[in-house]
Formats: sequence, structure tokens, C-alpha cells
Amino acid sequence: GAGVSQSPSNKVTEKGKDVELRCDPISGHTALYWYRQSLGQGLEFLIYFQGNSAPDKSGLPSDRFSAERTGGSVSTLTIQRTQQEDSAVYLCASSSRSGNTIYFGEGSWLTVV
Amino acid sequence: ELKVEQNPLFLSMQEGKNYTIYCNYSTTSDRLYWYRQDPGKSLESLFVLLSNGAVKQEGRLMASLDTKARLSTLHITAAVHDLSATYFCAVGETSGSRLTFGEGTQLTVNP
Repeated sequence: GAGVSQSPSNKVTEKGKDVELRCDPISGHTALYWYRQSLGQGLEFLIYFQGNSAPDKSGLPSDRFSAERTGGSVSTLTIQRTQQEDSAVYLCASSSRSGNTIYFGEGSWLTVV
Repeated sequence: ELKVEQNPLFLSMQEGKNYTIYCNYSTTSDRLYWYRQDPGKSLESLFVLLSNGAVKQEGRLMASLDTKARLSTLHITAAVHDLSATYFCAVGETSGSRLTFGEGTQLTVNP
């Protein structure tokens, strides 16, 4: 597609349920990023994929969070046993290997009730 | 750990005035980004600065980078209401690595 595509755009889930958020990067982009933005806050780094290299998972806040990237393209962020503090916008971004321009998707708005 | 600080965090200004937003960072970097975010929207890329002394301009916005001072500025000239948004700077430590974002500057331009 023309831009970074994320789904779902909105998700309301009950506390304790698992959720999966999907990111489809710009075609040909080797780098993929996940960030989290809580209401009125800045962006918190979660995980970074670059090609076939081991991902940088240093931003994942707990072992309830995991992410994978299949075939070097689509990525899924999984949150297990969701908590209310997980409510946020989850933003995905992609770039070419140089990272000179990084494009963000529209985000997945997660609400845990 | 890379730290990125923006100031001011809140800026209210009148149309037609000039102002500068500052972005300081704590370690060596070769990439500095500026983004705009409108309420309820995602981030729009404004500028990418890749070398010391780099200056880029788009309309009423101009960004510059001083890698020796570890400082970037976003200068607003003759502000208009449409510039009201939150502006983020972000710093990458090495080419292709993750970005660390500043807290954002919420800009309101009043008629």
C-alpha cells in the first residue's frame, strides 16, 4: 500500500483478555518500529525490527508484550492478559534500511475496560 | 541512555509572531527528526536532519541541527492558526536504530 497500515484502528477489550495488533509496513521497507503513546503523553519505544537481524526488544514493558515480524513484512504486536494501564495508542512505523525518513501509521487505539 | 528534552512544553502565541522550539539530546547522534501531531491523529514527518549545520525549511517552519551542541531548533515564522499542533523531535543514535522522542511541544496559535 501507499502508507503504513494498522489494524484494528480501534479495539475495546476486557481486562485479562489477549489482543493482537497488526502492522503492514510500506512495501520494501526493511525497518519496522512499534511505539506506544498514552493519552497526552510522548512516544514510548517498544520494539524495533531491521531486516533479518535480531529485533531490539528493549522497550517492551513486560513479558505480557511480544511482537513478531513474518517474512520481513507484516508485524503483529500481542498483549496478553491486558491491564487497564495498557490503554494507549499503539503506533507502527517503517523506514528503508537507512532510516532517513520514518513513516508512521494511523495507530491502533486500545481501550482496556 | 539517550535522553531528549524539548522546551517549551506548552507554547501559546499570537498569529504573526515568531518563536523557536528547542530540542536538546544527551549523546552523539547522526539523525534528528521533527514530527507534527494533530489531536487524535498520527505523526506527520516534517524534517530529517542528518548532518551538523543542516538547515531545512518548509513554509513557515525551519529546522536546524548543531551536533556539537546536541541541539536542534524548530523556528516558526509569522505563525498562523493552522500551525497549532504538537511538535515532537526524535533522535536516533546510529543509522537505522530506534528513535527516542522528546516530550512534545503543544503549540497553540491564537488569532
